[in-house]
Amino acid sequence: SQTIHQWPATLVQPVGSPLSLECTVEGTSNPNLYWYRQAAGRGLQLLFYSVGIGQISSEVPQNLSASRPQDRQFILSSKKLLLSDSGFYLCAWSAVRTLYGYTFGSGTRLTVV
Amino acid sequence: GEDVEQSLFLSVREGDSSVINCTYTDSSSTYLYWYKQEPGAGLQLLTYIFSNMDMKQDQRLTVLLNKKDKHLSLRIADTQTGDSAIYFCAEKTGGFKTIFGAGTRLFVKA
Repeated sequence: SQTIHQWPATLVQPVGSPLSLECTVEGTSNPNLYWYRQAAGRGLQLLFYSVGIGQISSEVPQNLSASRPQDRQFILSSKKLLLSDSGFYLCAWSAVRTLYGYTFGSGTRLTVV
Repeated sequence: GEDVEQSLFLSVREGDSSVINCTYTDSSSTYLYWYKQEPGAGLQLLTYIFSNMDMKQDQRLTVLLNKKDKHLSLRIADTQTGDSAIYFCAEKTGGFKTIFGAGTRLFVKA
């Protein structure tokens, strides 16, 4: 069966420090991968999506970047965190040829202090 | 543009039915979804409905779709305390993206 792993679960980082959040998928090949951010009381904001290795699309201009070095690995990064980067970050995957929804990871709560 | 709206809070008594409503703007939506998010966790797909359907029932869950009004609802029968969570409505548009609403927080009072 397919599983998605996201870590760490919580992270407290000082302003100006770097960030690396990792997400891996098991049990499937060539998934579409997504990074979302959920701010308190707001919906999910799509940050990045990827349809293949090295292929990254950015939805909003921001202080973050994403990379997909392997088929089932998706990394969210920042060189210098801002206070406004605090939030709940969710990784998700979907199969390429299906519309049957996304499978989400358990999320990372990032607090920038 | 594409937008999905839902009310932010709903409170019901245990054993009653809950109805969570959602409106969307993209008439080319192909699939519509309901996700559940428990505290501190990711989203879990609850159910989905094809845009050519009016209703879908799955145990205690009933989804109603009114394409003319672009209105989607989720009814939870016999609501339990374990149903307390945030419920997200989402639509898959004609393009690549899935658009999520802001989520409705369901409180179930014992």
